[in-house]
Amino acid sequence: DTGVSQDPRHKITKRGQNVTFRCDPISEHNRLYWYRQTLGQGPEFLTYFQNEAQLEKSRLLSDRFSAERPKGSFSTLEIQRTEQGDSAMYLCASSLVNNDGYTFGSGTRLTVV
Amino acid sequence: SQQGEEDPQALSIQEGENATMNCSYKTSINNLQWYRQNSGRGLVHLILIRSNEREKHSGRLRVTLDTSKKSSSLLITASRAADTASYFCATDQGGKLIFGQGTELSVKP
Repeated sequence: DTGVSQDPRHKITKRGQNVTFRCDPISEHNRLYWYRQTLGQGPEFLTYFQNEAQLEKSRLLSDRFSAERPKGSFSTLEIQRTEQGDSAMYLCASSLVNNDGYTFGSGTRLTVV
Repeated sequence: SQQGEEDPQALSIQEGENATMNCSYKTSINNLQWYRQNSGRGLVHLILIRSNEREKHSGRLRVTLDTSKKSSSLLITASRAADTASYFCATDQGGKLIFGQGTELSVKP
């Protein structure tokens, strides 16, 4: 297992389009997290899963955002009707339940034009 | 919104000097973790300190935690140019990590 993989690395989309990102966590990790990061800021929590169950979703997260982890393995994050303010780095991380440290992917950089 | 605040926001030092970064947080925590991020990349876990611990070492890293003051510090000794990165503290709250805004460290050769 080579770590957490995210696809694509970069995505440029026009405002109003839908985009979907994929994250493949470390196979033994049952927790998976999505974060958003803008320039000069720390990662902002979006949502997390334990196995296939979505345990928490940030109150700051608009209804345009949805995440799934259908079989408790990979996860997808979809943004509908993208806005310029959605431009950011979207980071995925995974961990064991005891959360002794996250392993992050390299992120997907989204640019909405 | 971020939980923690880090100080300083930016730090520039010469190679060989020590670098100290501070983190403050607001609520009770299970543990506090420090991460490093090179420009445009994902974060890398450095060290974890539990709420019942006061100090922890890992190689050139030393972390302290003061739960009464809700603060932590990260010391990097004998810094190297390769330590240039952003450093984030994160607190474990209800199963998820909440990150601070980070300290941008620049180590000049």
